[in-house]
Amino acid sequence: NAGVMQNPRHLVRRRGQEARLRCSPMKGHSHVYWYRQLPEEGLKFMVYLQKENIIDESGMPKERFSAEFPKEGPSILRIQQVVRGDSAAYFCASSPGTGEDGYTFGSGTRLTVV
Amino acid sequence: GQSLEQPSEVTAVEGAIVQINCTYQTSGFYGLSWYQQHDGGAPTFLSYNALDGLEETGRFSSFLSRSDSYGYLLLQELQMKDSASYFCAAPNTDKLIFGTGTRLQVFP
Repeated sequence: NAGVMQNPRHLVRRRGQEARLRCSPMKGHSHVYWYRQLPEEGLKFMVYLQKENIIDESGMPKERFSAEFPKEGPSILRIQQVVRGDSAAYFCASSPGTGEDGYTFGSGTRLTVV
Repeated sequence: GQSLEQPSEVTAVEGAIVQINCTYQTSGFYGLSWYQQHDGGAPTFLSYNALDGLEETGRFSSFLSRSDSYGYLLLQELQMKDSASYFCAAPNTDKLIFGTGTRLQVFP
């Protein structure tokens, strides 16, 4: 049973380009969460999705960032017109339901904006 | 709002016992969990306390006191591989909010 799969592991983008980060949750998990982690800092919540629905996007920047979890395929976190400040590790987690069932995290995507 | 505060760094030697504290402020509280993260790696779930008291899992134990808004992670018989960052986390409505994180360095 594969865990949470994230790709790519590393992504380099020039300022102004678009970054697409993908996350496939664990089999049987219908809840997907995206977190951002700056170096030497904690995990900051960005968005919570279920299939075809954004449940909570209170942590998403108002501009340039969007997320989706389509009926088929992985969840996508999209960052348009990237800036240097977007450089961070982006982690996806999944769980079988809300409440504390223990999140399973992917290995993350490390985005570097040059 | 919700915040979880932890010491930024803790050091200890192999074989010792170390306690990592977490104090929280929250408008609604459903329990406290702990995650471990090695450098460059994914956070991994360690434990969850829904009720007051001590939960033991091998060398790791976690404690919660709701009346004090406080919890801790206790690591016994420290090994070099325990060097990592440790985060407490609490559910906030529909998602987990993570603490500031504690970097544990274990020395030989």
